[in-house]
Amino acid sequence: AQSVTQLDSQVPVFEEAPVELRCNYSSSVSVYLFWYVQYPNQGLQLLLKYLSGSTLVKGINGFEAEFNKSQTSFHLRKPSVHISDTAEYFCAVTASGGSYIPTFGRGTSLIVHP
Amino acid sequence: EAQVTQNPRYLITVTGKKLTVTCSQNMNHEYMSWYRQDPGLGLRQIYYSMNVEVTDKGDVPEGYKVSRKEKRNFPLILESPSPNQTSLYFCASGRLATGSGETQYFGPGTRLLVL
Repeated sequence: AQSVTQLDSQVPVFEEAPVELRCNYSSSVSVYLFWYVQYPNQGLQLLLKYLSGSTLVKGINGFEAEFNKSQTSFHLRKPSVHISDTAEYFCAVTASGGSYIPTFGRGTSLIVHP
Repeated sequence: EAQVTQNPRYLITVTGKKLTVTCSQNMNHEYMSWYRQDPGLGLRQIYYSMNVEVTDKGDVPEGYKVSRKEKRNFPLILESPSPNQTSLYFCASGRLATGSGETQYFGPGTRLLVL
């Protein structure tokens, strides 16, 4: 079984500042990793995912994440945030070649202040 | 437009009054799932389905029922709602073809208040 820990429940940041949202996972097998974003009053949508290959993954809206196998992490970063990035961000993991059912973290609320 | 739709979007009901939340997807996905989202608890899976007539319990199935009679529809049924089922509910779907790396597609959510 897999587990996901999102280390921060809330991250406040000023507009145009850089941000990092942290995600650590636990698994005894190889994994696929996902970041989903939930804008206010909307459902979740995929931001980016890591399946294989380059450990630096680029997603929509200028976000990127780096898979670090030794540290079992998949942190999400953006060099300069906008007010419109205010949202809930969820990290998720599945076992590669295993169950299709993802395990979600509890979410990190990114609050961008002007 | 590829999408997952849910109805209703908002619902206020009273304890014990049966209700159904519908979910429909137009992407021919095999997999469908229901989640509830509560503050501080993130997303918790209620039920899921890998194909027509195949459903299974998630992490928090108590008090809920589902059915999958058609590939596109996956309704969530609360036979006797209670106040602890007040929550934000999401339906999701996805392809199974290439395995566990597939993206899940979420509906817009149904906000339920049980008085």
